[in-house]
Amino acid sequence: EVQLVESGGGLIQPGGSLRLSCAASGFIVSTNFMSWVRQAPGKGLEWVSVIYSGGSTYYADSVKGRFTISRDNSKNSLYLQMNSLRLEDTAFYFCARAYSYHSPLEDWGQGALVTVSS
Amino acid sequence: DIQMTQSPSSLSASVGDRVTITCRASQSIASYLNWYQQKPGKAPKVMIYAASSLQSGVPSRFSGSGSGTDFTLTISSLKPEDFATYFCEQSDSTPHTFGQGTKLEIK
Repeated sequence: EVQLVESGGGLIQPGGSLRLSCAASGFIVSTNFMSWVRQAPGKGLEWVSVIYSGGSTYYADSVKGRFTISRDNSKNSLYLQMNSLRLEDTAFYFCARAYSYHSPLEDWGQGALVTVSS
Repeated sequence: DIQMTQSPSSLSASVGDRVTITCRASQSIASYLNWYQQKPGKAPKVMIYAASSLQSGVPSRFSGSGSGTDFTLTISSLKPEDFATYFCEQSDSTPHTFGQGTKLEIK
């Protein structure tokens, strides 16, 4: 059974840093296209970042230069390092899996809440 | 970036009704269009992928159509468990972008 479990969310002050983790089971992270998608409370979905199976990474303009996506093959896990956090980064952050570039996001974690507030 | 415009933003309907939600892309995305259902407090769930393919386990009352820039999601006969928010997503090019969502409410 495929499972994605996020952790690492919490309350952080503006300008601070936080690292989200996404532990995967039932499949191999490194052979899939792994994304982070966020959703501000009561709002729509916003794609944040993706790491391809080949290792290429891409970011939304809103987080470029501040967030870094990575994976640890030995732990079968995905990460999102978030620096210079802003109030507008407050959201639920979901990790999600796609099989390939054009595939839908078939499997999702339960989400981790990041609250940026002073 | 490709912009996705969904309509309507909200919709009231009754059990048994047929409903249609539309999604328009700012440029052609071939058939790389996916539909997700999200219930409160839950992660999104893919319902339709590649514009018209039914995800495994999704009831056949859900269907999708379209190509290029214009797409539709149709629920043929609403059941109580279908009341949720629906999002479209284009997976033609990075960044994969979402529509703003359609909240389907019980009339």
